[in-house]
Amino acid sequence: QKEVEQNSGPLSVPEGAIASLNCTYSDRGSQSFFWYRQYSGKSPELIMFIYSNGDKEDGRFTAQLNKASQYVSLLIRDSQPSDSATYLCAVNPNDYKLSFGAGTTVTVRA
Amino acid sequence: SQTIHQWPATLVQPVGSPLSLECTVEGTSNPNLYWYRQAAGRGLQLLFYSVGIGQISSEVPQNLSASRPQDRQFILSSKKLLLSDSGFYLCVLREGVTFFGQGTRLTVV
Repeated sequence: QKEVEQNSGPLSVPEGAIASLNCTYSDRGSQSFFWYRQYSGKSPELIMFIYSNGDKEDGRFTAQLNKASQYVSLLIRDSQPSDSATYLCAVNPNDYKLSFGAGTTVTVRA
Repeated sequence: SQTIHQWPATLVQPVGSPLSLECTVEGTSNPNLYWYRQAAGRGLQLLFYSVGIGQISSEVPQNLSASRPQDRQFILSSKKLLLSDSGFYLCVLREGVTFFGQGTRLTVV
């Protein structure tokens, strides 16, 4: 079982719509959860982090965490063409390790 | 603030040749440093991490090695590259927040 699993996509959404990305993780003791955006050929950049169950909103982005279900998601509202990228889910199973999913590719259609 | 310098940005190497990728950091001391590899269409795989000078932990058995000769220097090496070593290599610094280097695109031909 992979430590962090994501649907690879591609996820295609029209401009202005909501993009919904999902991630599950295997280590129940994980405490920190991150979403990164990665443009082709570039390093990942942090979008959001979440530590507690529930929702966390930052601009057009909302992260949702459910530790009981070992599930974390990212919603992108009012999707823009500039949101087209690969989104990586990352989980801290311990103090040192940061495990990444394979990423979901999002394409926003103008 | 913390800065990561990673070079080269791109590299094309023949099979069987050696490899040395260097990463240096500024603006911090005794950082936790990591080497990740991202193969085409795949996620970031943790290769090595180091919590201090001379301390290296390997996550997966492979053709690569890492060294930390100085507090702010982290080196990824190979004596003989394989085709499967191709990928995007990232040096990462973690101090609460995670900082990524610009990455090295390695193509083994």
